[in-house]
Amino acid sequence: EIVLTQSPGTLSLSPGERATLSCRASQSVTSSYLAWYQQKPGQAPRLLIHGASSRATGIPDRFSGSGSGTDFTLTISRLEPEDFAVYYCQQYGSSPRTFGQGTKVEIK
Amino acid sequence: EVQLVESGGGLVQPGGSLRLSCAASGYTFNTYGMSWVRQAPGKGLEWVSAISDSGDGTAYAESVKGRFTISRDKSKNTLYLQMNSLRAEDSAVYYCARGSAPHFPNYFDYWGQGALVTVSS
Repeated sequence: EIVLTQSPGTLSLSPGERATLSCRASQSVTSSYLAWYQQKPGQAPRLLIHGASSRATGIPDRFSGSGSGTDFTLTISRLEPEDFAVYYCQQYGSSPRTFGQGTKVEIK
Repeated sequence: EVQLVESGGGLVQPGGSLRLSCAASGYTFNTYGMSWVRQAPGKGLEWVSAISDSGDGTAYAESVKGRFTISRDKSKNTLYLQMNSLRAEDSAVYYCARGSAPHFPNYFDYWGQGALVTVSS
């Protein structure tokens, strides 16, 4: 099983600032099959990024994903008020599919 | 518009059974794989089970293997999760999620709103 470790656990930033979230895998992620999801309190997760760097339909271009192998990054270029949430990475190239433990982006 | 609506959650005693349903609409149901993902209160996401577009391929997390069964009915556009021998640690919100492709590997492009399952005496 591939273990995904996200860091930091909590990121305290102000609107307009840049957010950089990390996701490290215990072994190489097949074909960069890495996705990022956003979850707000009381809501279902929402797909942001798939294939490590492809934005999902309707996702603003301030969200970008990068990385390969075992190290992946989600960057939010300028935080908007609606971006404060929990973010999860997920690998879907190996079974079982696994998620990271999440990074909470909170308002400073 | 793709919609996934879960039902069937509730309170059940340890050792009991429950069946979750997920009604899909807004797309051709039998051309996409489906999964169940759960989230214990205050915790992260855990993939539970997946089924291929045709239903002939299934997969389970080790934590539920032998106790849970995933299935789908294309005539009703509905996904199911039969949960038996439930334990306290199965308490969670259960989400159904559409896979991006007919079968593995696929990411989850649409999610339902979730169904709460509480296992307690």
